[in-house]
Amino acid sequence: EAGVTQSPTHLIKTRGQQATLRCSPISGHTSVYWYQQALGLGLQFLLWYDEGEERNRGNFPPRFSGRQFPNYSSELNVNALELEDSALYLCASSDEGGHTEAFFGQGTRLTVV
Amino acid sequence: DQQVKQNSPSLSVQEGRISILNCDYTNSMFDYFLWYKKYPAEGPTFLISISSIKDKNEDGRFTVFLNKSAKHLSLHIVPSQPGDSAVYFCAASAWGIYNQGGKLIFGQGTELSVKP
Repeated sequence: EAGVTQSPTHLIKTRGQQATLRCSPISGHTSVYWYQQALGLGLQFLLWYDEGEERNRGNFPPRFSGRQFPNYSSELNVNALELEDSALYLCASSDEGGHTEAFFGQGTRLTVV
Repeated sequence: DQQVKQNSPSLSVQEGRISILNCDYTNSMFDYFLWYKKYPAEGPTFLISISSIKDKNEDGRFTVFLNKSAKHLSLHIVPSQPGDSAVYFCAASAWGIYNQGGKLIFGQGTELSVKP
């Protein structure tokens, strides 16, 4: 069974640009979560999507947004990139609306220069 | 306001001995706890979880203990192996609280080094 897959693995953007990160959940999982791990910091909750709807978001500005597609894959968009957005972005998925363990992908390393 | 804390940034253990990783939390509404292992440049790997209605859960070499009165959980690895060397994160969730659904609150991690 394939795990959670994220693309791209690495992404380099210039300040002010937009970044789009993609995630494919484990087959059968309907919930997708996004987390940010900035250098020296722990994992910070960004967004939760379930059945195509945004169910919850963490303490991040509105320029962090995303969506979930009918096949349950998800996209995270970061607009007006700032240097401090440089981080490892992790996607996770779970079944049963999230009341079980979340399984993480390998992450996308975003570098803003 | 760090609701989940792992006060030991690092731990070194001899191969074959027990590794004990600790985690404290402040929010009594947390109802589910998880441990993840993470290697550099990789995503966290789920290890083991425990519901707040239990005080112990075992899976092979891994056992998680929950002490709700002390708001403390620990992960025991017996016996420790060099391949266990990684950063271990504890995480907590609180589905029963409005607007906390889907969110895992992570500790800062403990780097475990198992020496041959």
